[in-house]
Amino acid sequence: KQEVTQIPAALSVPEGENLVLNCSFTDSAIYNLQWFRQDPGKGLTSLLLIQSSQREQTSGRLNASLDKSSGRSTLYIAASQPGDSATYLCAVSASGGSYIPTFGRGTSLIVHP
Amino acid sequence: SQTIHQWPATLVQPVGSPLSLECTVEGTSNPNLYWYRQAAGRGLQLLFYSVGIGQISSEVPQNLSASRPQDRQFILSSKKLLLSDSGFYLCAWDRGYNQPQHFGDGTRLSIL
Repeated sequence: KQEVTQIPAALSVPEGENLVLNCSFTDSAIYNLQWFRQDPGKGLTSLLLIQSSQREQTSGRLNASLDKSSGRSTLYIAASQPGDSATYLCAVSASGGSYIPTFGRGTSLIVHP
Repeated sequence: SQTIHQWPATLVQPVGSPLSLECTVEGTSNPNLYWYRQAAGRGLQLLFYSVGIGQISSEVPQNLSASRPQDRQFILSSKKLLLSDSGFYLCAWDRGYNQPQHFGDGTRLSIL
């Protein structure tokens, strides 16, 4: 059974810092890995999807990398802003089955001015 | 463009009462549809998913049920709510393999 772990559970940084969020998974046979953002009391917003054949994806100040063999992904946020404050979740779709994603519990990020 | 609607946004119900939450998707056809529950400190739990009309798969045995009467409509129901059914319910859709998942804004359900 796929297990997804996100470390740290919470992070507080000053504005302008570059930061890295981590996601690890136990089964490396995956279709893809997704990173989501969730604002308080809201649904999840898809940020980036990395297919198993890809090593990274970029969108604006966000860069996500995938190392399937080690079961790890990182989300890099450059020049963080207070508006980046949210919970970030990763989700892994395992191959050989129904590809329904398994979610981590998220990293709660606060960027203070 | 595609949009997903969930309602109501918040709901307060007494124990033992029935439940009906509705989710609809616009701008796409034959989506995969999902119901999740998010409880504090417990992450996102998949409840049901559907790959087509009338096709429902249940992930967690419970007193909840789901139905898909139309291609882009997904309904979560219960005949008698329990206190443990409190939580944040999220509907989502995707187009399948290697496609991103898109979520509604959720329903906050409180059971008294």
